[in-house]
Amino acid sequence: IQLTQSPSSLSASVGDRVTITCRASQAISSYLAWYQQKPGKAPKLLIYAASTLQRGVPSRFSGSVSGTDFTLTISSLQPDDFATYFCQQHNSYPGTFGQGTKVEIK
Amino acid sequence: EVQLVESGGGLVKPGGSLRLSCTASGFTFRDYTMTWVRQAPGKGLEWVSSFSRSSRYIPYADSVKGRFTISRDNARNLLYLQMNSLRAEDTAIYYCARDSNLDYDSFPSPIDYWGQGTLVTVSS
Repeated sequence: IQLTQSPSSLSASVGDRVTITCRASQAISSYLAWYQQKPGKAPKLLIYAASTLQRGVPSRFSGSVSGTDFTLTISSLQPDDFATYFCQQHNSYPGTFGQGTKVEIK
Repeated sequence: EVQLVESGGGLVKPGGSLRLSCTASGFTFRDYTMTWVRQAPGKGLEWVSSFSRSSRYIPYADSVKGRFTISRDNARNLLYLQMNSLRAEDTAIYYCARDSNLDYDSFPSPIDYWGQGTLVTVSS
C-alpha cells in the first residue's frame, strides 16, 4: 500500500487553517494515523483510525476520510505546530508511512 | 511512565553487522507488539519490522528481508534488531516503538510510544 502526502511542504502563519492530505493506493478503511515530528525528536501520535484524537492532543487537530483520501486539519495554527507531519496506514503490514509534509512559518 | 531506550548504534563498514537493543519499562512488555522504524538523515519514516505480542507475526520490510532479524526477550523487557550485510542505504536513526494494540496482533497498530533513536552509519 502506497501513501502519497500533499503538499510536501507549506508555509503558513499563526492562526491559519492548515490542511494536509494523504491518499492511499488502495482501500484501507479508516486505518490511518497521523504523527507530528519536530527536528531531532521522535514522532508523536496525533490521530489514529482516521479521526480519533490521541489522548492529550489539542482539539485544534482533526482528521477525516473520504474513500482513500485522508485529511489532517489544524484549525488555527499555533507556534508549537511548526513541524513535519506523517501519515501511516495501520490496515496491513508493512505499516507504510507517507513521505511527510513540512509546515513552515510564513 | 513508558520508556524505550535504544542502544547499539554506531559506525559499521558495508557488509558488516550490528545488533540494536531496546530496553522497555513502565508497561507490561509481553502484552504489546513492538516495532522498529528507521529514518535516513533528512528523510521520511520507514517501517522496518514488528514482533507481535503473540509471537505469531514477525513481518519485515522488503528492503531488509533476509538481512535483518527482529527478536524479543519478554523476561528482560528487551527488543532486538540483528542487522547483517549492512549497506550504505541502511544508514538511519533507528527507533524502537510500541504499537498501541488497537486491533488483532496480525495487523499493525498506530505507534503510541517511541524511543529517542540510535544512529546507525554504514560507511567505509
